[in-house]
This record gives sequence, structure tokens and C-alpha cells, in this order.
Amino acid sequence: DAKTTQPTSMDCAEGRAANLPCNHSTISGNEYVYWYRQIHSQGPQYIIHGLKNNETNEMASLIITEDRKSSTLILPHATLRDTAVYYCIVRVARRGGKLIFGQGTELSVKP
Amino acid sequence: NAGVTQTPKFRILKIGQSMTLQCTQDMNHNYMYWYRQDPGMGLKLIYYSVGAGITDKGEVPNGYNVSRSTTEDFPLRLELAAPSQTSVYFCASSLTGDSEAFFGQGTRLTVV
Repeated sequence: DAKTTQPTSMDCAEGRAANLPCNHSTISGNEYVYWYRQIHSQGPQYIIHGLKNNETNEMASLIITEDRKSSTLILPHATLRDTAVYYCIVRVARRGGKLIFGQGTELSVKP
Repeated sequence: NAGVTQTPKFRILKIGQSMTLQCTQDMNHNYMYWYRQDPGMGLKLIYYSVGAGITDKGEVPNGYNVSRSTTEDFPLRLELAAPSQTSVYFCASSLTGDSEAFFGQGTRLTVV
């Protein structure tokens, strides 16, 4: 399973865009990039996922580089409620769809 | 839909006792997963299942057992509880191996 590397922590001002990077240089062609977040030790919450193309939904945007070795999660207008640990995960559907979590990035949104 | 439901929410066990953590989902999902999360750490996969009657080991299976007799239920069994099993346990499910996974709210287990 491909590994991911994320910064341990980041700060963001409320109302500004939060850009969370993730490196996955060993990703294979059939592996998806998933983002989850965990607030206050609750169950992780799905944010977005993608394979090759950039993706956008009501929560966030996902930008994947052309070589697929890295990606960025963008929260366009961060609020205090976006303070959480964000996990970037590489997932393979045919191998049980296992989500293997790393340490994640602790995002603090400040007023 | 209730989603993924875990019971109990909290439990204290004595060393050597056994217990079963219950997980049920009402979304007719094929894939189910058990994770544990130690303080300040990411989630570790214990066991997973891609359908009724099929289970497989994850990253940290030692000391645990699972079964999947129905699509809805995926119980996790601890036979001889040890202090190292003190953790928060999360169950999750997804329809396929590449669809959104939904997580339960967790079971906080303390072994003393």
C-alpha cells in the first residue's frame, strides 16, 4: 500500500482558504486519494476523493498533480468548526478497499 | 437510516476478561472495517470484511477475532483483555471498495 506524508500541523485564519498538502510519491495507477477528517476524537468524516482529475464538492476541492505524486486539499473559506485532524489516504478498491491512516495534519483555524 | 451503530459507547474491563464490541449498519454495505485509535495517534486497521462470510486481517489483528455471518453485523471479540488493548475502537462500512466509508461514533475501552 502506498504511503502518504503530511505536515504534522498547520494554522489558518478564519475565512481564509486552508491548503493541506499530501505527498504520495509511490501511488499506483489504480489507487485513489481520499481525504477524511476527525473532530474531537469523533468517528472520521469523509471529505472527498479522486483518482486523476481535480474534484470539488460542497465541502472542499481536491487538486491532484499530473504525475499523481502529490495532492492538495483546499477548504475555500475555513471556519472555526473546520479545526480537526485531516487524513490523506491512498486506497485500493480491489484489495478490500482498506483505508490505511497515517498521522494526519492537525489544522487549527484561528479567529 | 441510523448508519453505523456501535455498542457499547464505554466499557471498563479487567485484565483477562473477554467481551464483544458490536457493530451494525443498515445501509446494506458489503465492506466493513474495525479500527483502533490510541491517544494522539492515527487509526490502525484491525480486521476487515468484503462480504458476509469473508474476513481478513488488517495491520494489528493480534488479540482480536471477528465474524461476519450477516451483511449488517460485524462484531469484534476480545478474548483475554490486556492493558495494551485500552483504546477507542471504530467500526466503518462502505458499499464498495472505492465508495465513501461511514464511521460509527466509537467505543472507548479501558482495560485495568
